Amino acid sequence: DAKTTQPPSMDCAEGRAANLPCNHSTISGNEYVYWYRQIHSQGPQYIIHGLKNNETNEMASLIITEDRKSSTLILPHATLRDTAVYYCIVRVASGTSYGKLTFGQGTILTVHP
Amino acid sequence: NAGVTQTPKFQVLKTGQSMTLQCAQDMNHEYMSWYRQDPGMGLRLIHYSVGAGITDQGEVPNGYNVSRSTTEDFPLRLLSAAPSQTSVYFCASSYGGGYTEAFFGQGTRLTVV
Repeated sequence: DAKTTQPPSMDCAEGRAANLPCNHSTISGNEYVYWYRQIHSQGPQYIIHGLKNNETNEMASLIITEDRKSSTLILPHATLRDTAVYYCIVRVASGTSYGKLTFGQGTILTVHP
Repeated sequence: NAGVTQTPKFQVLKTGQSMTLQCAQDMNHEYMSWYRQDPGMGLRLIHYSVGAGITDQGEVPNGYNVSRSTTEDFPLRLLSAAPSQTSVYFCASSYGGGYTEAFFGQGTRLTVV
C-alpha cells in the first residue's frame, strides 16, 4: 500500500469549511484513497473513498488531483462534533486487501467555537 | 442491526493470564480484522480473516491467536498476557467486493499488570 503524509494537526472555526490535505505521491493506478476518522478513542468511522474522480456524500467531499499524488478531504460546514483524528489511507480495493487497513498518524482536527 | 459488537469493553489482566476478546458482527460480512492502538498512535493490524475458516497474520501478530469458525464471530486470544499488550483493541468487518467500507467496534481497553 502507498504511504501517505498528513499534517499532524489543524484548526478550524465552527461553521467554516475544513480542508484536510493528504499526500500520496507513490500511489499506484489501482489504489483507492480512503478517509476515516476517530472521535475521542471510539472505533474509526468511514467517511469517503475515491479512485480518481471527485466524490461527495452526506458527510464530506473528496478532491483528488489529476495526477492522483494528493487529495483533500473537505468538511463543508465543520461542527464541534467533527473534532477528531482524520486518517487518509491508500490501498488496493481487491482481494485480501479488503480486510486490511494501514493507519498512519493522521491529522488531529480541532474545531473551535 | 447491532453492527460490530466487542466484549468486554474493559479488562485488567495479570501478566501470564490468558483471555479471549470477543467480536461479533451481524452484517454477514466476509472480512473481519483485529487492530490494536497504542497511545498517540494509529491502529496496527494484528490478524485478519477473509471468510470462515481462513485467517492470516497482520503487522503485529505475535502473542495473539485467532480462529474463524463462523461468519459472525472472530475472537482474539491472548495466550499469555504481557504488559506490552496493554492497548485498545478494535475489531472491524467489511463486506468486500465493491463495498470496501470497514465498520469498527467500540473497542476493548486492555491493561496487563
